[in-house]
Amino acid sequence: AQSVAQPEDQVNVAEGNPLTVKCTYSVSGNPYLFWYVQYPNRGLQFLLKYITGDNLVKGSYGFEAEFNKSQTSFHLKKPSALVSDSALYFCAVRDVGTALIFGKGTTLSVSS
Amino acid sequence: NAGVTQTPKFRVLKTGQSMTLLCAQDMNHEYMYWYRQDPGMGLRLIHYSVGEGTTAKGEVPDGYNVSRLKKQNFLLGLESAAPSQTSVYFCASSHSRQGRNQPQHFGDGTRLSIL
Repeated sequence: AQSVAQPEDQVNVAEGNPLTVKCTYSVSGNPYLFWYVQYPNRGLQFLLKYITGDNLVKGSYGFEAEFNKSQTSFHLKKPSALVSDSALYFCAVRDVGTALIFGKGTTLSVSS
Repeated sequence: NAGVTQTPKFRVLKTGQSMTLLCAQDMNHEYMYWYRQDPGMGLRLIHYSVGEGTTAKGEVPDGYNVSRLKKQNFLLGLESAAPSQTSVYFCASSHSRQGRNQPQHFGDGTRLSIL
């Protein structure tokens, strides 16, 4: 069965520092991986996806993610964090059909 | 350009009452989904639909029913609400073109409390 794990419930970084939000996955076959962000009282917003090709995927708001097949990881990164990046981040993998299986989420807190 | 619209945004029910959550999308998407979000558990799929008139069960379908009579609408029903169904419910939709590659677009959620 497909699954994703986000090992950190919360990540704290100072504004201007690089940030990493971790995600590992387990799939049968080729992975289709996604990152979403959720701001308070809002729905999830799509950030980026990995389907095939380059291991470094660039997405919205300056975020990028690195796909590592040998480590079965898909970590979300940003070179310089902003206070406005503070939110709940979800990693997801496409299930056998078309729905997504989500990780439990990681709260990112960026301090000024 | 509304995207995915969910109504109502908030609702409080008593145990045993019934209600229907409405999801409407204006992007002509074929696929639609209902998820529930609970603290520390991420989002879990309740039911989904790959086209008008078709629905399928997700990970946590018990206690819920759905209907997709029109392509743009996906309804989630609770026949007899239970406190365990207190949650935030999200609807999402996506294109069928390129199937599994398309990102899902989410509504802003319905916050449901069952007393």
